[in-house]
Amino acid sequence: AQSVTQLDSQVPVFEEAPVELRCNYSSSVSVYLFWYVQYPNQGLQLLLKYLSGSTLVKGINGFEAEFNKSQTSFHLRKPSVHISDTAEYFCAVSEGDYKLSFGAGTTVTVRA
Amino acid sequence: NAGVTQTPKFQVLKTGQSMTLQCAQDMNHEYMSWYRQDPGMGLRLIHYSVGAGITDQGEVPNGYNVSRSTTEDFPLRLLSAAPSQTSVYFCASRIAGVLYEQYFGPGTRLTVT
Repeated sequence: AQSVTQLDSQVPVFEEAPVELRCNYSSSVSVYLFWYVQYPNQGLQLLLKYLSGSTLVKGINGFEAEFNKSQTSFHLRKPSVHISDTAEYFCAVSEGDYKLSFGAGTTVTVRA
Repeated sequence: NAGVTQTPKFQVLKTGQSMTLQCAQDMNHEYMSWYRQDPGMGLRLIHYSVGAGITDQGEVPNGYNVSRSTTEDFPLRLLSAAPSQTSVYFCASRIAGVLYEQYFGPGTRLTVT
């Protein structure tokens, strides 16, 4: 069975500073990996996904993530955040069937 | 396209009451699912459907029923509400195949007193 651990529950960051959100997963088979973002009082939307190929994945709004198979990690990064990046971020993993398993989420608060 | 729509947005129930959360999508997606979101626990899958007439249980199905009589609609029924079912509920849909993005509705915030 798959599981996802997001290592930070809250990440405060100043505007224009870089941010990294850490995600580790456990699975016995090959996986597909996703990051979703949830803005206040909204549903989730996809930021980026890793299915195969290059381990560095670029997504929307300047985010990128790197898949590291040996460390079973899929950390999300952005070199310079904006106030509008304040949101909750979820890492998710799928082993190829329909079921996505989500991490507990990381709340990012960007301060001026 | 309206995408994935959910009604109601907010609901308060008393323990033991039943109700149906509505979900509809106009994108002709085969797959639909229901999640609940609780603080510190992320999203957990309740039930899902891979097409009209086909449903299956997710991670936390107890206390909930679903049916899928059409491609567009996937209602979630709470049979006898309990305070433990206080949560935010999200419906999602996508085209079959993991390559495709899952689209989420705006959510229903349910409180059971």
